[in-house]
Amino acid sequence: DAGVTQSPTHLIKTRGQQVTLRCSPKSGHDTVSWYQQALGQGPQFIFQYYEEEERQRGNFPDRFSGHQFPNYSSELNVNALLLGDSALYLCASSLGPGQGNEKLFFGSGTQLSVL
Amino acid sequence: GENVGLHLPTLSVQEGDNSIINCAYSNSASDYFIWYKQESGKGPQFIIDIRSNMDKRQGQRVTVLLNKTVKHLSLQIAATQPGDSAVYFCAENRPRGKLIFGQGTELSVKP
Repeated sequence: DAGVTQSPTHLIKTRGQQVTLRCSPKSGHDTVSWYQQALGQGPQFIFQYYEEEERQRGNFPDRFSGHQFPNYSSELNVNALLLGDSALYLCASSLGPGQGNEKLFFGSGTQLSVL
Repeated sequence: GENVGLHLPTLSVQEGDNSIINCAYSNSASDYFIWYKQESGKGPQFIIDIRSNMDKRQGQRVTVLLNKTVKHLSLQIAATQPGDSAVYFCAENRPRGKLIFGQGTELSVKP
């Protein structure tokens, strides 16, 4: 049973570029959340997708957008990259609402470096 | 506020000793808390959780204590092993699965 998988594992971009990160949830999970983790900090909630729609969003600018596909996989897109976007981006999956357990399972993340 | 914070950024213990990692939260309405372990190069791994209708919960070698009066929770690790070396986060679970993480405590186990 595969857990949460993310790709790529590492990525280097320059300021102003755009990036797309990908996530496949744990088998049986239909909800995907994205978190940003700066060095030495705890993860910060970006947004959550369920039924292919953004269910809730954290305090991140519109440069951060996402998508969920019918197979529950998800993408995180960041436009106009800034140096401060350098971080570990974590994807977490869970069961959807009303299914009795919203415990999050995390992937190993994508390390994004913006130069 | 919506902060979940930790008292100490680093903790060093001798192998075999017990470890205690503390966490303070500010939202008195919070009713569900989780402890995560994060090893280098990996995502956070669930350790144990506790709901606000409990004040103690035990797992394998780990115990979480919740004191709602002072809005404090702690993670106790018994007989700490080198494999326990990692960063530990407490997280507050908000509605619909949104987690609010603290900064983390780095646990270092000396052989």
